[in-house]
Amino acid sequence: GAGVSQSPSNKVTEKGKDVELRCDPISGHTALYWYRQSLGQGLEFLIYFQGNSAPDKSGLPSDRFSAERTGGSVSTLTIQRTQQEDSAVYLCASSLGAGGPAHEQYFGPGTRLTVT
Amino acid sequence: AQKVTQAQTEISVVEKEDVTLDCVYETRDTTYYLFWYKQPPSGELVFLIRRNSFDEQNEISGRYSWNFQKSTSSFNFTITASQVVDSAVYFCALRAGGTSYGKLTFGQGTILTVHP
Repeated sequence: GAGVSQSPSNKVTEKGKDVELRCDPISGHTALYWYRQSLGQGLEFLIYFQGNSAPDKSGLPSDRFSAERTGGSVSTLTIQRTQQEDSAVYLCASSLGAGGPAHEQYFGPGTRLTVT
Repeated sequence: AQKVTQAQTEISVVEKEDVTLDCVYETRDTTYYLFWYKQPPSGELVFLIRRNSFDEQNEISGRYSWNFQKSTSSFNFTITASQVVDSAVYFCALRAGGTSYGKLTFGQGTILTVHP
């Protein structure tokens, strides 16, 4: 079946502009996660969705970052007034659920964001 | 707080050599889950294995094997008879039980290069 998909695969934006990154999880997966991968910080958790709710937003680095999920499926990560330090690969993952032992997370190919 | 340490930043081997990637973790939870992911040059994180804290049985899958030792908080990964296609970045990750909502804490990753 289809895996997690993300769009765009690459995004170059000017400092100060807003960007939206999209994630389509695996069909039937109720849990969705956003992570960020950068050279200096490694792989960092950003936010978790169960259905359309986000019970854990603890990893969002600032109030310029927000995310939503609609219909228990597609999620959008929005970064407002982008800064150069936002440059990174943004990874989305989904799993059947969150708390159970068999709930492995499956990752998408990522969106490489470059802020110039 | 959770922490995962992969002390080996880079490993270089020649094809057919065996190689072990180390992973040490810290958690106060009594129930937790450990994972290994592979990130090939294409960039997509590929799930390799999950191990539950209550199951210390080692696992073998083809050329891959995993050694989980709670006494030393380690979850090491061995590739036997390495191949060039094994070249990738390997990440060890920890997910706590309870109310962690499933977010993964990653190690910094080990870059494995297998030379022909």
